[in-house]
Amino acid sequence: AQSVTQPDIHITVSEGASLELRCNYSYGATPYLFWYVQSPGQGLQLLLKYFSGDTLVQGIKGFEAEFKRSQSSFNLRKPSVHWSDAAEYFCAVAFTGGGNKLTFGTGTQLKVEL
Amino acid sequence: GAVVSQHPSRVICKSGTSVKIECRSLDFQATTMFWYRQFPKQSLMLMATSNEGSKATYEQGVEKDKFLINHASLTLSTLTVTSAHPEDSSFYICSASGAGEQYFGPGTRLTVT
Repeated sequence: AQSVTQPDIHITVSEGASLELRCNYSYGATPYLFWYVQSPGQGLQLLLKYFSGDTLVQGIKGFEAEFKRSQSSFNLRKPSVHWSDAAEYFCAVAFTGGGNKLTFGTGTQLKVEL
Repeated sequence: GAVVSQHPSRVICKSGTSVKIECRSLDFQATTMFWYRQFPKQSLMLMATSNEGSKATYEQGVEKDKFLINHASLTLSTLTVTSAHPEDSSFYICSASGAGEQYFGPGTRLTVT
């Protein structure tokens, strides 16, 4: 069965430091890949997505992610974290023929130390 | 970006009663809406896919008679939790599909006492 894994449940970084959140998927073909951010009281917001083409994807708020087919990974990165980036981050995949249904990872809670 | 609203944002109900949650796409038409459930500190689990004018498609393990979904228009889908019990307490999130992307509502916190 298809699955999405986010190995890190919690991550703490200092403001201004770089960030990398890991995401791995299990699927026989290339899925559509997404990163969402969830802040308390707000809906999930799409940071970026990968469908095809350039494997390095730029998103909003200074985030980027790189699709690595050989590693079945889609890690999220940001060169310099801001205190406002503290939130829950979810990696999600949609599989071809799945009717746009998303499968979410378990999420990574990001804490930013000032 | 597209806006999806949910109402109510929080609801407390007594065990055995039913609760209706509304999901609206405010500035676009959504032929497909999705309903998710999120337990504390856990991921979103897809409950069902709702298509306008047709019956919802439920994921395995989701009781369709307990979680009634109606998608009567292109901008509104409702989830009714029937005969709610404490174990139904959760965070329910809807999303609306448009332009190849899903737009999420802010969620509804249901507490069953």
